[in-house]
Amino acid sequence: EIVLTQSPGTLSLSPGERATLSCRASQTVTSTYLAWYQQKPGQAPRLLIYGASSRATGIPDRFNGSGSGTDFTLTINRLEPADLAVYYCQQYGRSPQTFGQGTKVEVK
Amino acid sequence: QVQLQESGPSLVKPSGTLSLTCAVSGGSISSSNWWSWVRQSPGKGLEWIGEIYHTGTTNYNPSLKSRATISIDKSKNQFSLNLNSVTAADTALYYCARTLGFLEWSLDYWGQGTLVTVSS
Repeated sequence: EIVLTQSPGTLSLSPGERATLSCRASQTVTSTYLAWYQQKPGQAPRLLIYGASSRATGIPDRFNGSGSGTDFTLTINRLEPADLAVYYCQQYGRSPQTFGQGTKVEVK
Repeated sequence: QVQLQESGPSLVKPSGTLSLTCAVSGGSISSSNWWSWVRQSPGKGLEWIGEIYHTGTTNYNPSLKSRATISIDKSKNQFSLNLNSVTAADTALYYCARTLGFLEWSLDYWGQGTLVTVSS
């Protein structure tokens, strides 16, 4: 199965700053079938990005996904206190679908 | 607005069967989406269990070693998960979710999750 490794484990930034989250796959992700999710405490994951770079419905343009092959990035511009969450990447190009271990974003 | 709601026992005995149901509202389970189960535990993070299409076609995570069965009840607009021979390692928060499309397997709608503990 494809193993997704996310870095850093924790990111601590101030409001207004840019967060850059990395997701590296152990094998090429087919057809950029990669998604990003945001999970706030006590809530289910929320789809942010699919197809590596397409924003899901209602997701503000502060959230941007990029990458292909084995290296993918989620960028959060103009960080807000409400962005405090754990962010997960998921690949669904090869079965079984797999998730990364998550990056926790802390807003100072 | 599509909504999903999991239900089922919160406590299951070791070697028993975990049975959960996901009720879908605000949309048809016969739409062009796959219906999935995902679990989350502190030790293993998010783990995809499997999915079903309204035709009855299923896909499963091989890591579960054929212990999982997903079924669909179109008359009740719901789908279910059975996981047999459970151990403490199956203790987790179980989510049901919907894929964005038939050929787009990202998960755009999720239930709130239900905690299942395996213990005697």
